[in-house]
Formats: sequence, C-alpha cells, structure tokens
Amino acid sequence: SQQGEEDPQALSIQEGENATMNCSYKTSINNLQWYRQNSGRGLVHLILIRSNEREKHSGRLRVTLDTSKKSSSLLITASRAADTASYFCATDQGGKLIFGQGTELSVKP
Amino acid sequence: GAVVSQHPSWVICKSGTSVKIECRSLDFQATTMFWYRQFPKQSLMLMATSNEGSKATYEQGVEKDKFLINHASLTLSTLTVTSAHPEDSSFYICSARPGGNSYNEQFFGPGTRLTVL
Repeated sequence: SQQGEEDPQALSIQEGENATMNCSYKTSINNLQWYRQNSGRGLVHLILIRSNEREKHSGRLRVTLDTSKKSSSLLITASRAADTASYFCATDQGGKLIFGQGTELSVKP
Repeated sequence: GAVVSQHPSWVICKSGTSVKIECRSLDFQATTMFWYRQFPKQSLMLMATSNEGSKATYEQGVEKDKFLINHASLTLSTLTVTSAHPEDSSFYICSARPGGNSYNEQFFGPGTRLTVL
C-alpha cells in the first residue's frame, strides 16, 4: 500500500499544551498536505508544504518536511478544545492524494 | 471561492438498490475529480480518478462495475453505487482540482454518508 503512516494514532492533551503529530510516507512526492476532519464531517485543508520546502507556518500551525527521511510533522501550539479532531497528512503522488492513517487529537479544557 | 458540493449529504437505501452521489464544483471548472471512501475511524482511501470526457481510472481493488463514475462536464462528477450491500455503507468524499495542472490544490466536498440496510 502506498498509504502513509501517522503517529501517534491518538493523542490526548490539556488545553494550552502543544500537540505534535508525525507522518511518514514511502514514495517521492510533489507536496505534502495536512487536513483536519471533525467527526462525521468533511475535510478542512490546513497547510501545504512543497517538496523543496523544509518548514512552513500558518497561525498556530508549524509543519516540517524532511524528504530524506520521508517524514513530516505538524505542530499545533497553544492548543484549544476546538482543535479536537482527526488530523491527516496526504502526499501528492503524481497528482493523486494518498492519505495517512490519521491522528485523533483530543484537547481537554 | 473553490467550493465543492455533494448531494445528497446522506442516504439510506435497501440492499440491492443503486445510489447516485453527485459532486459539483460550484465556482471553478474541474478537469479532474477524485472519489474517496472512508470507513468509521479510518482514513480516506482513494477509489478512482475521474477526468472530464474520459473513463475513470480506478485504484487497485475497486470494482469499476460496482462503482460507476461519470464526469460528463467540467463541474459535475457522479458516483453510482450499483446493487448496494451493507458492506458498501461508508462515507464517500469527492474532491475537485481546478484546471489541468497536477500541482493544483484539490478542494474537498463535505461528504455523503451512505447506509445500506
């Protein structure tokens, strides 16, 4: 399977703490994207990092990409209860998005 | 901008019936649309890639006669689940990519929850 792996599968933290999620993939990519999905809902695009970029920021989000290790991380700083959701990485492989298995984040108030 | 809609948002049907799900790009033309399936507590699995005016390309393990895809215009793709069975119950999500550049971002629809009794 070309599907990537994410860890941890589940993460529970207190409001205000930082949350870090990791994603690994297997093949060469054009870019890597992170999405959020609230339970039973559609996907929300968070951030896209291209294969020639190493780090990208968007508000409280920080994404890193290491193409030599075929891995990426998503850091959410100063988490809020509203950040509770599933987070997926997706790699663009020749125009197709291949999703990782996801991390279920729970932020407790 | 870049809004993708799906209809219906949910559907319940009897085993053996066929169900059609529509995916529309509302404010852009989508040369390529994608269909994903998501089972509870699992990730999205790409089912097929749909290009306007040509046959869809199905991922390995996806039955093309079971999941009929039609991309008749630059703003509409449909997925028909034929002779649905309970194991087809899932969350079906489409995405659309503007223009012909494979580096363009995909925009996702809100999903359709199918329950087959």
